[in-house]
Amino acid sequence: QKEVEQDPGPLSVPEGAIVSLNCTYSNSAFQYFMWYRQYSRKGPELLMYTYSSGNKEDGRFTAQVDKSSKYISLFIRDSQPSDSATYLCAMSGGYQKVTFGIGTKLQVIP
Amino acid sequence: NAGVTQTPKFQVLKTGQSMTLQCAQDMNHNSMYWYRQDPGMGLRLIYYSASEGTTDKGEVPNGYNVSRLNKREFSLRLESAAPSQTSVYFCASSETGGRGYGNTIYFGEGSWLTVV
Repeated sequence: QKEVEQDPGPLSVPEGAIVSLNCTYSNSAFQYFMWYRQYSRKGPELLMYTYSSGNKEDGRFTAQVDKSSKYISLFIRDSQPSDSATYLCAMSGGYQKVTFGIGTKLQVIP
Repeated sequence: NAGVTQTPKFQVLKTGQSMTLQCAQDMNHNSMYWYRQDPGMGLRLIYYSASEGTTDKGEVPNGYNVSRLNKREFSLRLESAAPSQTSVYFCASSETGGRGYGNTIYFGEGSWLTVV
């Protein structure tokens, strides 16, 4: 079993839909949780960063962490074609390596 | 502000050939990394350098060597390329923390390497 599980998709939604992206993990030591966005032929860029449990909102993006269930989510409201990308979850337990999910490919259809 | 710059962007190698991927960052970061990204495998850490003068193996170091030339530059060398090393390679950096502890990791644009 991988430390971080993420459905690779692809996930296709119509423009304006609410998108839900998820990851599960097995390492209870993880306490830093991140979402990276990667456009085609580009490097990943940090989108959201959360410490421990709870929610964090930034514009149309909301990150949720449920440590009791070892489950993290990224919600995108009013999705736009420009949101079409691969979204990678990532997590770390502090002075440990950052473990990445394999990424979920999202396509927002105009 | 260029961030993390890596070269070359594309390269085709024959089996057994050697090459070096170059990387430089202009953010004054202490830590630098080399990852490879393969379909279905995600990002895997090859080597990292927590600070100038130190390097350590990551998850998949076999077949690679690295050099932290100075604080800005971190190169990855394939001594004898194999088809299994066909991949997309990303250089990255972070302010501190040998393994991205609590810090944003900034990635370069990627280098597409094909070994035939």
